[in-house]
Amino acid sequence: AQSVTQLGSHVSVSEGALVLLRCNYSSSVPPYLFWYVQYPNQGLQLLLKYTSAATLVKGINGFEAEFKKSETSFHLTKPSAHMSDAAEYFCAVRGGSQGNLIFGKGTKLSVKP
Amino acid sequence: SAVISQKPSRDICQRGTSLTIQCQVDSQVTMMFWYRQQPGQSLTLIATANQGSEATYESGFVIDKFPISRPNLTFSTLTVSNMSPEDSSIYLCSLDRVFTNEQFFGPGTRLTVL
Repeated sequence: AQSVTQLGSHVSVSEGALVLLRCNYSSSVPPYLFWYVQYPNQGLQLLLKYTSAATLVKGINGFEAEFKKSETSFHLTKPSAHMSDAAEYFCAVRGGSQGNLIFGKGTKLSVKP
Repeated sequence: SAVISQKPSRDICQRGTSLTIQCQVDSQVTMMFWYRQQPGQSLTLIATANQGSEATYESGFVIDKFPISRPNLTFSTLTVSNMSPEDSSIYLCSLDRVFTNEQFFGPGTRLTVL
């Protein structure tokens, strides 16, 4: 069965610093992986997805993620954090019995001025 | 992307009552999903709603507690029945765009049960 593990429930960075949010997956087949962002009191917005094309995936708002099969990882990065990036980030893999997504527990990103 | 609306956006309900949440999408889709996000938690799938057939429920969720309707390809409802404070959550519907391998989510319904 597919699953994802997000390391760190809370990450705090300074504005302008590198953002690194970690996600490791478990899958018996080539995975489809996703990162979503949830701003306070809002729904989920798709940041980016990996579907077995390029291993480096660029998303919206300057985020990107690299698929590393050898490390079973799909970490999310952004070179320079902005205050508006403060939100909760969810890593997900498509793998439920209904083709649904299976989500990690989420990482809350705080950005300090 | 996709336009998904949910009604109500939030509600405060009394224990023992029921609430029906509506989900409207802007295009015809085969599969719609209902997720629950308990406070401070991740998302958990409740059920998959396919038009023309009974909803498929995940382990731990039953039709009597969470009846779902899917009368057409752009609309679905989820009812939370006989509510208790443990049902206080955000309920989100989502649609699956198979050809783009993407799932889009509605804004969610924030339910508080007193």
